[in-house]
Amino acid sequence: DVKVTQSSRYLVKRTGEKVFLECVQDMDHENMFWYRQDPGLGLRLIYFSYDVKMKEKGDIPEGYSVSREKKERFSLILESASTNQTSMYLCASSGSGTGSTDTQYFGPGTRLTVL
Amino acid sequence: QKEVEQNSGPLSVPEGAIASLNCTYSDRGSQSFFWYRQYSGKSPELIMSIYSNGDKEDGRFTAQLNKASQYVSLLIRDSQPSDSATYLCAVNTGGGNKLTFGTGTQLKVEL
Repeated sequence: DVKVTQSSRYLVKRTGEKVFLECVQDMDHENMFWYRQDPGLGLRLIYFSYDVKMKEKGDIPEGYSVSREKKERFSLILESASTNQTSMYLCASSGSGTGSTDTQYFGPGTRLTVL
Repeated sequence: QKEVEQNSGPLSVPEGAIASLNCTYSDRGSQSFFWYRQYSGKSPELIMSIYSNGDKEDGRFTAQLNKASQYVSLLIRDSQPSDSATYLCAVNTGGGNKLTFGTGTQLKVEL
C-alpha cells in the first residue's frame, strides 16, 4: 500500500512565524503535490514537484515556497505565516505517466491555525 | 481555465438506494478521471479511476465516463450510512499529472 505521511496533524502558529510542513512518501513516486483545502473552495494546488530539486507553481503559490532535496520528501514552507493561511494542508504523491500510475495518494493532512 | 464542476448537494438518499453523483469537465484533452471519498476532517481516499469510455465496476461502485459529453459519474448501489461523505471528482489535465478537483458533492445516506 502507498503510504504518505505528514509531519503534524494539527499545528498552531503565530503571525509572522516561519512554518515548515513536511511530507514523506514510501512508493518511490516521481511527483509530489501540496494542496490547501478550504470550505467552499475545494482543493487548490500550491506547488508540485516532478523530480528532485524540481518544482513548479500551482494555482496559489503566493506566500509559500517548497523544497525537494530527496525523492521521498517534499516540504512546504510558509515564510511568514499570516491568518489567511489558516487551512487544511494536504500532501499527495503519484507516479509518472498515465494509466493508473497517475493516481494521486494523499497524506492525512495538517490542519494549520495561524493566530 | 480548466474546470471540473460538481453539484455541491447535499444529496440525500435512503439506505439501500442507488446514489448517483455527477461531474462535468471542460478540457476535452483530459485522459484520466478519478473519484475520491472524503470524510469530514479526513483526507481524500481513492475510490475509483477510469480512463476509457463506458462503465467500470468495483463492488458497489460503478464509474461511468462519456468523453464526447465530457461527463463522468459515480453510482453507489445499496447505499449505506457509512457512504455518507463528500465525493470529489478529479480530472488529469496534463502537465506532470496534475489533477483538477471539483468542489465535491456531499452525500447523506439516511436510515
